[in-house]
Amino acid sequence: EADIYQTPRYLVIGTGKKITLECSQTMGHDKMYWYQQDPGMELHLIHYSYGVNSTEKGDLSSESTVSRIRTEHFPLTLESARPSHTSQYLCASSSYHEQYFGPGTRLTVT
Amino acid sequence: KQEVTQIPAALSVPEGENLVLNCSFTDSAIYNLQWFRQDPGKGLTSLLLIQSSQREQTSGRLNASLDKSSGRSTLYIAASQPGDSATYLCAVRDDYKLSFGAGTTVTVRA
Repeated sequence: EADIYQTPRYLVIGTGKKITLECSQTMGHDKMYWYQQDPGMELHLIHYSYGVNSTEKGDLSSESTVSRIRTEHFPLTLESARPSHTSQYLCASSSYHEQYFGPGTRLTVT
Repeated sequence: KQEVTQIPAALSVPEGENLVLNCSFTDSAIYNLQWFRQDPGKGLTSLLLIQSSQREQTSGRLNASLDKSSGRSTLYIAASQPGDSATYLCAVRDDYKLSFGAGTTVTVRA
């Protein structure tokens, strides 16, 4: 079944740790995106990719980095987590017309 | 920069009443507009996609209209049910990126 997956779904981690949020899609989409959403607030695009070896920063400045080595995989990394990184992170991929979202990762940095 | 506004921010109605959710955007040069549903702490589920050349789309009890020249879209939900309680997000596509509104949080009272 074609879908988009994110792991972990929930993560509580201490300040200073390095973390990687995983995102994979089985729909063969070239375009993938990462959004950040604080509770009750709107989504902000932080990274996107239009294909393998292509990554761009989004509208909202973020200390995270991304990589796109395989079409189906678009991981997001925080080298040193801080409490200000506490948020929900949503991954998406798109066909020519429509975007599809994963279930999200809720990150809490203590 | 595209600005997307959703009014009202919150709405509470008794079961059975029709819902009208509004979305406006500042730049009418869009490729399409998507309406999403988001349940608390979850990802986004695509409800309807309207191409820029279309005036409306329907799916079951949902109907969305688009007036690109005036920068407006409306989502109608007929005969609301408690299961319709969620946050509804409007997003417009420029190039391959989406700009989101802050959403309308709907509560349907049984």
